[in-house]
Amino acid sequence: AQKVTQAQTEISVVEKEDVTLDCVYETRDTTYYLFWYKQPPSGELVFLIRRNSFDEQNEISGRYSWNFQKSTSSFNFTITASQVVDSAVYFCALSGMDSNYQLIWGAGTKLIIKP
Amino acid sequence: SAVISQKPSRDICQRGTSLTIQCQVDSQVTMMFWYRQQPGQSLTLIATANQGSEATYESGFVIDKFPISRPNLTFSTLTVSNMSPEDSSIYLCSAETEVYEQYFGPGTRLTVT
Repeated sequence: AQKVTQAQTEISVVEKEDVTLDCVYETRDTTYYLFWYKQPPSGELVFLIRRNSFDEQNEISGRYSWNFQKSTSSFNFTITASQVVDSAVYFCALSGMDSNYQLIWGAGTKLIIKP
Repeated sequence: SAVISQKPSRDICQRGTSLTIQCQVDSQVTMMFWYRQQPGQSLTLIATANQGSEATYESGFVIDKFPISRPNLTFSTLTVSNMSPEDSSIYLCSAETEVYEQYFGPGTRLTVT
């Protein structure tokens, strides 16, 4: 069965610090997709990234970067020079044939950026 | 990407009544989904809204309680029937693009009194 674990329930840092959100997954699929979403206090879910299992290149988008490591089944998300607007709940998710390509969600990590 | 709108954004309903939530996508999509999110928790998939056929429900959710319509490739509705306070939640609609990216609507905050 597929599973996504976000062990960090809540993280609090001071603005401008770097912060990494951990995501560990389990799947029997050889082809699968990994996602990160942001849910700010307003409540809507914002799509951040989708990563294919066969593409292990790290990705950088502005202050955001993602580190995908199949060897450790992890897909971690780093925010560099954090800002107060980054405060949100961040969800990691997985989809694959084993779940009929439905999203399997982690529990989420609440990120608090203090000014 | 896809832009999704939902109506209503929030509502307060009385026990025993029903509420229909509408979801509109700005482009044609094959897959649309309905989720529920309890406060402080992750998302739970209610059902997949299939165009032209009955929705596919997840374990714990039934058509009589959550009837879903999908009349075309850009629109779907979810009805929460015979509501009880336990149905108070955020209901989210999503659509999946051709490259398997799911985009979400702003959600409907439902309170049942």
